[in-house]
Amino acid sequence: KAGVTQTPRYLIKTRGQQVTLSCSPISGHRSVSWYQQTPGQGLQFLFEYFSETQRNKGNFPGRFSGRQFSNSRSEMNVSTLELGDSALYLCASSRASGIPEDTQYFGPGTRLTVL
Amino acid sequence: SQQGEEDPQALSIQEGENATMNCSYKTSINNLQWYRQNSGRGLVHLILIRSNEREKHSGRLRVTLDTSKKSSSLLITASRAADTASYFCATDVNRDDKIIFGKGTRLHILP
Repeated sequence: KAGVTQTPRYLIKTRGQQVTLSCSPISGHRSVSWYQQTPGQGLQFLFEYFSETQRNKGNFPGRFSGRQFSNSRSEMNVSTLELGDSALYLCASSRASGIPEDTQYFGPGTRLTVL
Repeated sequence: SQQGEEDPQALSIQEGENATMNCSYKTSINNLQWYRQNSGRGLVHLILIRSNEREKHSGRLRVTLDTSKKSSSLLITASRAADTASYFCATDVNRDDKIIFGKGTRLHILP
């Protein structure tokens, strides 16, 4: 069974640009969550999608948005990039939503560098 | 805001020794999970312990949970070089489906 895949793996952008990251969950998984990881703030929850609906959202500005498609693949978009958006962006998939015992499987992440 | 805080921030031990990491959290939880992250890569789920459980084992891993002290510990016995990684605790707060991660403990196993 293929794991969670994220594309691209590395990305370099300049301030003010926008970026779209993609996540393909494990087959059969309908929940996708996104996290931002930085040395200073650690791992922070961005949002969760389940059945094409946003179920939960973290404390990030509106520049961060996401969506989920009918095949459960998800994208997140960051507009008007700032230097502080440089981070490792991780997505995780699970079968369902709201069930703590339902293990989250993480992808390898997308390393975004904003210059 | 961080819910879980791991201690120590970094730990170096000799191969074969046991490694213990601690996690403290602030509010009531449904369960607590431990994850491992190898350098710059995705997280791997290690173990989940429910709020009504006190101890759980998985291979060389032993996790304890003390809800009265709002703390958990992860013990890795007979450490190996491959255990070198960062370890995170994650909690889900009661009535909230979000999972909140601590900042992690960086474990380095010396040959």
